[in-house]
Amino acid sequence: DTAVSQTPKYLVTQMGNDKSIKCEQNLGHDTMYWYKQDSKKFLKIMFSYNNKELIINETVPNRFSPKSPDKAHLNLHINSLELGDSAVYFCASSQLRGLAGITDTQYFGPGTRLTVL
Amino acid sequence: AQSVTQLGSHVSVSEGALVLLRCNYSSSVPPYLFWYVQYPNQGLQLLLKYTSAATLVKGINGFEAEFKKSETSFHLTKPSAHMSDAAEYFCAVRTYNTDKLIFGTGTRLQVFP
Repeated sequence: DTAVSQTPKYLVTQMGNDKSIKCEQNLGHDTMYWYKQDSKKFLKIMFSYNNKELIINETVPNRFSPKSPDKAHLNLHINSLELGDSAVYFCASSQLRGLAGITDTQYFGPGTRLTVL
Repeated sequence: AQSVTQLGSHVSVSEGALVLLRCNYSSSVPPYLFWYVQYPNQGLQLLLKYTSAATLVKGINGFEAEFKKSETSFHLTKPSAHMSDAAEYFCAVRTYNTDKLIFGTGTRLQVFP
């Protein structure tokens, strides 16, 4: 059973389009994350949700909007896609947040490679 | 703000040789440190983590790391490299005053036969 799954695995689209990436975790975790990995492999957090509540919102263009319908799902919607959005997007989850979860392992999904043409 | 620096974006070793991947941290408060591995076209997987319980931490696949406060380091080592160790390795830091895991820029390990 896949712990953290993402769909789609690959996404190729034109500039200006709107697209979504879905993430699901079956670990029973309370906290989920979206990371962006650029072409140089640099990994940076974008958002974090805990029990459907947004707790981290990094300096990300407001074209990016996360949505968490329940604590097992965290989707990422991107409006008006730009060339610079091309990257690999990783979803992750962990059991706890804050001080209680400071040493928690984050479990990563396989990634979604987004290519904007 | 806390950060980690990984010296050497690429490290090449022969199979059977010692693996040493360097990570130095910067933090004004006690850090918690992690090493993650990313195999080609996969997500990240935890190798080991320092939680202040012990300075020498053993992880999966024969890797270990030692927390040295005096050197602000958390270098990753493995006595004998295997071909299957070829991957990207990320050091990361987290502190009690943030929910964020801050990653280094990664080190690509190549293993030659």
